[in-house]
Amino acid sequence: ETGVTQSPTHLIKTRGQQVTLRCSSQSGHNTVSWYQQALGQGPQFIFQYYREEENGRGNFPPRFSGLQFPNYSSELNVNALELDDSALYLCASSSLKGTSGGETQYFGPGTRLLVL
Amino acid sequence: DAKTTQPTSMDCAEGRAANLPCNHSTISGNEYVYWYRQIHSQGPQYIIHGLKNNETNEMASLIITEDRKSSTLILPHATLRDTAVYYCIVSHNNAGNMLTFGGGTRLMVKP
Repeated sequence: ETGVTQSPTHLIKTRGQQVTLRCSSQSGHNTVSWYQQALGQGPQFIFQYYREEENGRGNFPPRFSGLQFPNYSSELNVNALELDDSALYLCASSSLKGTSGGETQYFGPGTRLLVL
Repeated sequence: DAKTTQPTSMDCAEGRAANLPCNHSTISGNEYVYWYRQIHSQGPQYIIHGLKNNETNEMASLIITEDRKSSTLILPHATLRDTAVYYCIVSHNNAGNMLTFGGGTRLMVKP
């Protein structure tokens, strides 16, 4: 167990809807990264939040957005859902020490999203 | 981040050592080698990481060649529960660190 939790575990939505996924980071960690994993593929980096601000973003459109809260938990929001958004969404927490270096990312169990 | 190359799949007999290779010939001097594994439909599990020295923990050993262009993850006594997809990733261990996953190696441990 990594101490990283995600909710919900499973979710079914229809095209065009909006979804919010939640992640609680491991105690002592100040950074949350989000990944999308389509069936049969490796996880793809969406973005990272550090101290409540976006700290890097992968090749995902603006309808993927996020938040980080003062307790370092985080949300991933996806607007205007498309069928291809069906995937396992993973969050990972780590502890960045300013610009002096990062640490290992520990993953949560994921949220499986199905878009119909 | 540097790209990695891993075999698509490997088999290993239960109780024997599993040696998983990874090529990362374009690795830069400040990039680390990370290994994660993913058991079906679960989140990736961190195994080990290193910069240039060999590393060992309770799960595995990581052997990095002197030129750092390749590495091997060793599971000393594989069990059926080690059946998983193993990902080798090279990444800067700094602010904004993102992990770039490739296809990984599907390890099947057989009785």
